[in-house]
Amino acid sequence: NAGVTQTPKFQVLKTGQSMTLQCAQDMNHEYMSWYRQDPGMGLRLIHYSVGAGITDQGEVPNGYNVSRSTTEDFPLRLLSAAPSQTSVYFCASSSGVNSPLHFGNGTRLTVT
Amino acid sequence: AQSVTQLDSHVSVSEGTPVLLRCNYSSSYSPSLFWYVQHPNKGLQLLLKYTSAATLVKGINGFEAEFKKSETSFHLTKPSAHMSDAAEYFCVVSVMNTGFQKLVFGTGTRLLVSP
Repeated sequence: NAGVTQTPKFQVLKTGQSMTLQCAQDMNHEYMSWYRQDPGMGLRLIHYSVGAGITDQGEVPNGYNVSRSTTEDFPLRLLSAAPSQTSVYFCASSSGVNSPLHFGNGTRLTVT
Repeated sequence: AQSVTQLDSHVSVSEGTPVLLRCNYSSSYSPSLFWYVQHPNKGLQLLLKYTSAATLVKGINGFEAEFKKSETSFHLTKPSAHMSDAAEYFCVVSVMNTGFQKLVFGTGTRLLVSP
């Protein structure tokens, strides 16, 4: 089972560039979410989705967009990258409200 | 607001000795609490969760945690550390909001295990 797959694993961007972080899951999970992990701060929720066509903002949504056109995919878009977005990004999915999260292996993003 | 505080940023133990990772929570109602583990360059994996059933929760790889309401604590323990336990551990509290379980993460405790 592939589980949650994130691509790319590493990415370097220049300030102002745009890119999309991909996330796909093959477990037919309704709930998907994006977190960023910064040293000494744990993980913080960026955006989440409770099903295809439904998304909402998390704790730190500024500078990021998401969409959920299918159950499987939940891409995260950076429209104009800033150095403050240098971080490790994790995508997660779950089958229900109280179900455990399944995490991808992360994307390490550096913005110069 | 719900939050968790992990009291140690680093814990060092010798292989075969007990592990104690401390977590205090703040919640205005009976919380759901979790411990996740992150090995280097990997995503997070659920170790165990508490959802108001038994106060002593057993997880994977010999870990367990005890929910103590009077102390607002949810400490993670293991009787005997193994080298493979070296990782970062996160205490997490859940916050229900418009039908989605938002997780609030602690800042993490890095467990170092020496031979």
